[in-house]
Amino acid sequence: DAKTTQPPSMDCAEGRAANLPCNHSTISGNEYVYWYRQIHSQGPQYIIHGLKNNETNEMASLIITEDRKSSTLILPHATLRDTAVYYCIVRGSEKLVFGKGMKLTVNP
Amino acid sequence: DAGVIQSPRHEVTEMGQEVTLRCKPISGHNSLFWYRQTMMRGLELLIYFNNNVPIDDSGMPEDRFSAKMPNASFSTLKIQPSEPRDSAVYFCASSLGGGPTDTQYFGPGTRLTVL
Repeated sequence: DAKTTQPPSMDCAEGRAANLPCNHSTISGNEYVYWYRQIHSQGPQYIIHGLKNNETNEMASLIITEDRKSSTLILPHATLRDTAVYYCIVRGSEKLVFGKGMKLTVNP
Repeated sequence: DAGVIQSPRHEVTEMGQEVTLRCKPISGHNSLFWYRQTMMRGLELLIYFNNNVPIDDSGMPEDRFSAKMPNASFSTLKIQPSEPRDSAVYFCASSLGGGPTDTQYFGPGTRLTVL
């Protein structure tokens, strides 16, 4: 599975949109982009995934660039409960390979 | 619907003792995964099952670790004998199938401390 690069941390103001970037320049055509988050030692929580089209669900939106080399997870109205480590994962098989992720801190 | 259930949530044991962690996957899910999380190594996959059959155990650290899935609703991860370096949070996850579009849902984890 292709590797991903995320900034180590990011801050966001409560109520604002949080845009979380991820680079995956070596992604293959059949690999999906997955996002999970982990809130303070809880089990990782699935957020969203996509192949090449933009995706939206009740939690977030996923924007994938046309060349698929990068993506952005958007939390439209961040709350304090969105403070977590966010993992961007490129997945081409049954396995999920977690990197270090990015710590998002939502500030009041 | 109940999610993935793990027990115990916390386990403290002494070096050399046997430890058994338990997992009940989401009903109807055919794939089950065991992960371990430490500060040093992050989240890493230990083993996964599909239809109760172990498919890939390449992440199991050594022979002291073993995992079983006797039926579709139960799996165990056993460490015998346990060592202090096994201290970690162990997560179980399940998914409907084993493909790249099958979302894995994680349990709350078991925090293991080996003294």
